[in-house]
Amino acid sequence: DTEVTQTPKHLVMGMTNKKSLKCEQHMGHRAMYWYKQKAKKPPELMFVYSYEKLSINESVPSRFSPECPNSSLLNLHLHALQPEDSALYLCASSGGNQPQHFGDGTRLSIL
Amino acid sequence: GQNIDQPTEMTATEGAIVQINCTYQTSGFNGLFWYQQHAGEAPTFLSYNVLDGLEEKGRFSSFLSRSKGYSYLLLKELQMKDSASYLCAVRDPNWSGGGADGLTFGKGTHLIIQP
Repeated sequence: DTEVTQTPKHLVMGMTNKKSLKCEQHMGHRAMYWYKQKAKKPPELMFVYSYEKLSINESVPSRFSPECPNSSLLNLHLHALQPEDSALYLCASSGGNQPQHFGDGTRLSIL
Repeated sequence: GQNIDQPTEMTATEGAIVQINCTYQTSGFNGLFWYQQHAGEAPTFLSYNVLDGLEEKGRFSSFLSRSKGYSYLLLKELQMKDSASYLCAVRDPNWSGGGADGLTFGKGTHLIIQP
């Protein structure tokens, strides 16, 4: 069992849809992260949220939009995605200098 | 940027010991992590080194030499369930948001355990 909860576990959407991925942690961590992982590749960092400050990987397309409503919740809003965006999306959280703990991920398929 | 290298695949025998190496070249360094990832699952934290030396945690140990840009993960008493990918990751100060650093991962080492 993971202490970082991601929903949904699976998502299939068309290229014109708008959907959101959700992540929640109750460990009191003040930093949360989104990673994208393609098959047989390592996770790639997309966004970092820490103390309400957002850091962005400049290579991430604007069709991905993160939102941090509070220190326990992190959303990833998806709009007009492309087939190449199909991947496992991982959320992680960490406190201080401690390791990042990952959720089980959302497996996203774009039709 | 970061460059992190680790072998693509390794094979070992059940009950034996295996060492997975990782070398890195980075503009900054705030620590090195090892994660285990089974196929179709999320990465699971194994070990963390920020200072030089050996960190031991049960069957798993990790070593770091910052001057050499080198780390290894040592797995003892191998079990079939240890068959997985092992990811070396560096805390990247280029991704600092309010003191939190994102991770840059190596490509991972696929470890195969044979009976």
